Amino acid sequence: DTGVSQDPRHKITKRGQNVTFRCDPISEHNRLYWYRQTLGQGPEFLTYFQNEAQLEKSRLLSDRFSAERPKGSFSTLEIQRTEQGDSAMYLCASSLGQGDSGELFFGEGSRLTVL
Amino acid sequence: AQTVTQSQPEMSVQEAETVTLSCTYDTSENNYYLFWYKQPPSRQMILVIRQEAYKQQNATENRFSVNFQKAAKSFSLKISDSQLGDTAMYFCAFSLSGATNKLIFGTGTLLAVQP
Repeated sequence: DTGVSQDPRHKITKRGQNVTFRCDPISEHNRLYWYRQTLGQGPEFLTYFQNEAQLEKSRLLSDRFSAERPKGSFSTLEIQRTEQGDSAMYLCASSLGQGDSGELFFGEGSRLTVL
Repeated sequence: AQTVTQSQPEMSVQEAETVTLSCTYDTSENNYYLFWYKQPPSRQMILVIRQEAYKQQNATENRFSVNFQKAAKSFSLKISDSQLGDTAMYFCAFSLSGATNKLIFGTGTLLAVQP
């Protein structure tokens, strides 16, 4: 059983550099979500895809953040000109789609440390 | 806008005992889902239990049960016969039915099961 996979698991970068995270959802899942989780907090919604269409973006997603899901399969989250405040765990989740149970399946996350 | 509040940052319970984690939420909608997710240390978040708001009967999953009070907007999780493997962060979450399945999380409760 292949779950949601994320890569890399941990990224350390210097302030001002660009980073990209990849998420591979469960294969038959149409919906894909990105969340950000900082220490001691619950995950905060960033953005949502239905197949290849990005249908919702949080105000947390500044202009330095961009997400894509070409062909409705894997997704990438890029952060440009990283800042120390971007240090967090970035979680990807997927779900089957309309009519499902509402459950989201999460990956193990990509931890970003900005020095 | 919907909000989820968990007022217990940390809880501790002895192995084999019962513990209850609290959650309140705020919404003006009538149809929604409520969830408890478990996030073990350095591992992915997994679903513990799910409740549909239109169902009056409280959900149960083996040792896990909820007390859903719709009028009070309260959704507590009871863990019976606590096990060491239950040690984790527990997040209460909300999503609207028939929508994007986007989850809104509380800040979490760190549960420690003591031997």
